[in-house]
Amino acid sequence: QSALTQPPSASGSPGQSVTISCSGTSGDIGAYDRVSWYQQHPGEAPKLLIFNVNERPATVPPRFSGSKSGNTASLTVSGLRTEDDAEYYCFSFAGRNSLGVFGGGTKLTVL
Amino acid sequence: EVQLEQPREEVKMPGESLMIPCKASGYGFDSYWIGWVRQMPGRGLEWMGIIYPGDIDTGNCPSRYGQFTVSADQSIDTAYLKWTSLRASDTAVYYCVRVIMIGGVIVRLDSWGQGTRVTVSS
Repeated sequence: QSALTQPPSASGSPGQSVTISCSGTSGDIGAYDRVSWYQQHPGEAPKLLIFNVNERPATVPPRFSGSKSGNTASLTVSGLRTEDDAEYYCFSFAGRNSLGVFGGGTKLTVL
Repeated sequence: EVQLEQPREEVKMPGESLMIPCKASGYGFDSYWIGWVRQMPGRGLEWMGIIYPGDIDTGNCPSRYGQFTVSADQSIDTAYLKWTSLRASDTAVYYCVRVIMIGGVIVRLDSWGQGTRVTVSS
């Protein structure tokens, strides 16, 4: 199962919005509304941000939102804050053989 | 509070065996899937394998990631990732994760262990 495709980097200034894309295929993102997003700060374990394309755990602020169109999912971070400076990974269910696949990760820099 | 506890580091030589434990607490261990995720140095996250402690139904990807197995011991609420013969290319951080699975479909990875850094070097 090939990794989902994310841009290696993204950036924005505090207060701005940034969108990170995650491209897959008709066998993963395109087939299931089971895309999730994870935030990872250096030296820490990843943390769940978004699941089921656009749902947030109760502890995640509404500045984080998700969407999907066809084989591509997106994560939007609104009102950027310095603590949003981190790596972001998408993940999709990919069928009952491989089960899951991650994106390559996007380093978000808050300037 | 859901917690997944892993050792922070393991250092091994090529050819040695290794078993990484993942001790679960704060929820019914045999009611949720446990997965494993690899992160090689300076690289992204990679999905490895999964186990359901409730019925020892295991899915894994040995053909892609080499020779490892996943297992669980319900009596002590612990999952394991095991190698019988490590290689230098197994050097990475390994995370155990609680997997929310509905109807055989992975919905989310909602709790993560702190990761075990494995170094394989002669």
